[in-house]
Amino acid sequence: DAGVIQSPRHEVTEMGQEVTLRCKPISGHNSLFWYRQTMMRGLELLIYFNNNVPIDDSGMPEDRFSAKMPNASFSTLKIQPSEPRDSAVYFCASSANTEAFFGQGTRLTVV
Amino acid sequence: GENVEQHPSTLSVQEGDSAVIKCTYSDSASNYFPWYKQELGKRPQLIIDIRSNVGEKKDQRIAVTLNKTAKHFSLHITETQPEDSAVYFCAASYNYGQNFVFGPGTRLSVLP
Repeated sequence: DAGVIQSPRHEVTEMGQEVTLRCKPISGHNSLFWYRQTMMRGLELLIYFNNNVPIDDSGMPEDRFSAKMPNASFSTLKIQPSEPRDSAVYFCASSANTEAFFGQGTRLTVV
Repeated sequence: GENVEQHPSTLSVQEGDSAVIKCTYSDSASNYFPWYKQELGKRPQLIIDIRSNVGEKKDQRIAVTLNKTAKHFSLHITETQPEDSAVYFCAASYNYGQNFVFGPGTRLSVLP
C-alpha cells in the first residue's frame, strides 16, 4: 500500500477563495482523522470519521470549515472562504484500531 | 473531551544522556497511548505505543511507562544520539484507535 495520500502537497491561495484538501486513506482502515498543525497550536484534531461517519467535529474551528467522507477511500476538507489565519499544514491520518498513519500533509498558505 | 498535556516543551540533552518526556490525560476511558516522532518538514511517525492493560513497554533504546491511576505516561530515551533530535508527540485514544488527541509536543535537541 502507498500509505495515506494527500493532495495537493502545497496550496497557495488568495483570501476569500475556496480551498479543498483531499485524502485517500490506507485501504481497510476504518478511521480517518484531519489535523491542523501550526507552531502556535501544535497538532489540532479537527474532525474524525469512523466507517465514513463523522464522529467528532468539535475541533472544526468555525462554519467556514467542512469535511466529507463520501466513501471509504476518499475524504475532503473544505475551507470557504479562506483567511490568512488558516495558513498551516493540514494532515490526514487513518487507522485500523491502533496506530494512526499520517499522510505527507498539505501546506496551505492564504495570502 | 480528552485533554492531553505534555512537558517539557523543549528539552536539550548531551549525546549519550537520557531524555524523559511526560504526558497527562484527562479521560479515564482512554486506553491506547502512542508516541510519535516528527522530524523537520516530515509527517509524524509512530515510535512506540502502550495499551492500558500494560504498565511498561520497551523497544531497544526507547521505553514507555503508564500509570492509569494517575493518568500519566512517559517516554524514556536512553543513550541519546543526534538523530533522536525531533519533536515528540504523545497521544491518547479510546477504543484502541479512535479520536486520537495529541499533546502539544516536545522539541528534543541532542547536542554532540
